Amino acid sequence: NAGVTQTPKFQVLKTGQSMTLQCAQDMNHNSMYWYRQDPGMGLRLIYYSASEGTTDKGEVPNGYNVSRLNKREFSLRLESAAPSQTSVYFCASRTPIGTLGDTQYFGPGTRLTVL
Amino acid sequence: DQQVKQNSPSLSVQEGRISILNCDYTNSMFDYFLWYKKYPAEGPTFLISISSIKDKNEDGRFTVFLNKSAKHLSLHIVPSQPGDSAVYFCAASARSGNQFYFGTGTSLTVIP
Repeated sequence: NAGVTQTPKFQVLKTGQSMTLQCAQDMNHNSMYWYRQDPGMGLRLIYYSASEGTTDKGEVPNGYNVSRLNKREFSLRLESAAPSQTSVYFCASRTPIGTLGDTQYFGPGTRLTVL
Repeated sequence: DQQVKQNSPSLSVQEGRISILNCDYTNSMFDYFLWYKKYPAEGPTFLISISSIKDKNEDGRFTVFLNKSAKHLSLHIVPSQPGDSAVYFCAASARSGNQFYFGTGTSLTVIP
C-alpha cells in the first residue's frame, strides 16, 4: 500500500520553463490537495479537488493550474515558473470528510528550485 | 490573514520531560483540530485529532487539549523522547468544509 506518491522528488527549473508535478493515491479518497511549504509560512493550500471532475482554488493559486485526471491522480502545473515558486510541494488526499479519524495523508514532497 | 497560529517557532526539551506545543485559532467555525508531525525530507504525518465536542483526547504519550472559549489548543508529549524531534503543525477545519488550515509549525528538539 503506497499511500500518496509524488514525482519528481527534486526539480530545478529556469525562469519561464514549465513543468507538471504528479500525484497519485491508492486509498480511494475523493478529496485531494496541493500545498506549498515555505520557511516560516507553514503549509499553504494551492488548489484542491473535492471529487473527480472538480477543482477549487486555495489560498495561493496564482501561477498554478491543476488537473484531476481521475480519482487516483491530481497534477499541478506551473506554466511559466518564477523564482517565487521555489518551494517544497506536498500533495495530500483526505479520508471521507466528517468521519471518525478524518485526516489527510501526505506524499513525500517535491523540492522545486526556480533559478 | 492567518487563521491558525503557532507563535513558538521552536522548543527545546530534555528527554523524559514534558513537551507542550501551543496553537491558537481565530475562526469560531472551526470544530475539528489536528496535529501533524513532520521529519525533514518527508511529508507530514497525522498524530492526533480532537473534535470540538471534547476538551481532551489522549493517545499514548500524546494528549491534545482544547479550550474553545480561548480558541486555544495544546499538544502535550510525556515523556519526550529524542525521536519526537520534528516540526509539529497544528491544523483546523470546519467538519463540513473541504479545507484544513495549518499553522506555521513548531520545531521541537528533544535533548538526550
